Amino acid sequence: GAVVSQHPSRVICKSGTSVKIECRSLDFQATTMFWYRQFPKQSLMLMATSNEGSKATYEQGVEKDKFLINHASLTLSTLTVTSAHPEDSSFYICSAQRLAGKYNEQFFGPGTRLTVL
Amino acid sequence: GEDVEQSLFLSVREGDSSVINCTYTDSSSTYLYWYKQEPGAGLQLLTYIFSNMDMKQDQRLTVLLNKKDKHLSLRIADTQTGDSAIYFCAESPSGGGGNKLTFGTGTQLKVEL
Repeated sequence: GAVVSQHPSRVICKSGTSVKIECRSLDFQATTMFWYRQFPKQSLMLMATSNEGSKATYEQGVEKDKFLINHASLTLSTLTVTSAHPEDSSFYICSAQRLAGKYNEQFFGPGTRLTVL
Repeated sequence: GEDVEQSLFLSVREGDSSVINCTYTDSSSTYLYWYKQEPGAGLQLLTYIFSNMDMKQDQRLTVLLNKKDKHLSLRIADTQTGDSAIYFCAESPSGGGGNKLTFGTGTQLKVEL
């Protein structure tokens, strides 16, 4: 099967610090990865679409300077939350679209719980 | 923009059937999906259906699509306690690479003994 991992699974940081979250496709190559944010008891909101070797495409209302996305290889994308504040506390989920995959199937990571104190 | 709506909560007894409903507004939706999310975890794809299909059955799961009314449903037969989770429907305008999913609000399914 297609497995996507995220690291760390849970992070607590102080306000003003930066946090990096990794998303890896373990057994397939992904030209496109997606970053979502989920608030408690709410749906997933797409933050940005990340394509290998190019700049990420951010959704309206998402600050690109605050949420830095790097997709350096076909198996790794990173999301860095810069100068984190308590309102950035959320569940961040990535997904990876398999290269030459069918039906636009995205494989989701297990998520990263970010708590900013 | 696209809008996908679901009822927030459903409670059923173990062994009964569950029906989770979803409505969407994007008439260009080509692929429609059902995902399951267990507490503190990512999403698991359960099944999907093309917009030119009316029904798809996969073991205990049956998906019905009414394209005219833009209504999608997921029926879980013989619901078990392990089915307790949040279920999201999602739509995509194309099955091609790089297209984003729009998720519904999620339905929390609670299975009682």
